[in-house]
Amino acid sequence: SSELTQDPAVSVALGQKVRITCQGDSLRSYYASWYQQKPGQAPVVVIYGQYNRPSGIPERFSGSGSGNTASLTITGTQAEDEADYYCHSRDSGGNHVVFGGGTKLTVL
Amino acid sequence: QVQLQESGPGLVKPSETLSLTCAVSGYSISSGYYWGWIRQSPGKGLEWIGTIYHDGSTYYNPSLKSRLHISVDKSKNQFSLNLTSLTAADTAVYYCARESLVSGATSVCYFDNWGRGTMVNVAS
Repeated sequence: SSELTQDPAVSVALGQKVRITCQGDSLRSYYASWYQQKPGQAPVVVIYGQYNRPSGIPERFSGSGSGNTASLTITGTQAEDEADYYCHSRDSGGNHVVFGGGTKLTVL
Repeated sequence: QVQLQESGPGLVKPSETLSLTCAVSGYSISSGYYWGWIRQSPGKGLEWIGTIYHDGSTYYNPSLKSRLHISVDKSKNQFSLNLTSLTAADTAVYYCARESLVSGATSVCYFDNWGRGTMVNVAS
């Protein structure tokens, strides 16, 4: 399968924890990576290899997963975390890139 | 510091061909990694277009394969996209990006560097 499914929208109160999920069969073969995209900007990777955080990404961002599901968790959500979030992997054959449909995170 | 910069026309007519180039600095394409094109239509999500490996192997989105050609010019350290028979549905911001791919029991893939994107409008 070559699809990754995300909830279209999620909201969270300022300072609270939020989890964004990504489902797809390819996640059994490829760890998900996660991207944050703010309006008018290019995506930025916040988690790769399911739980690795690039330098410069705040510790409040974490990743996890099991089976066909990957999750991005933001603990102590800040106003600046309001953005679109996309998961990414390869299809099960490995030759094609796959993105989830994206989740719009609103911070209340 | 790796940097990618897209360049190309901002406006293309329907049925014509889009040619975009991604200039890479701070890293030699010949040294490795996968180099990809991704687009985003207004208000929509990310869509993978295609990828070229440093050895010249190409991988295309099946939905675009019949119209798409991606190539690499190692002497200029850049890679390019040609998309033919354009329609309004091809209007989008086009990004180039570097993808790291590590094979294993569970493999790891991620785009670690992105260009800023270039807006392409298909209109007469």
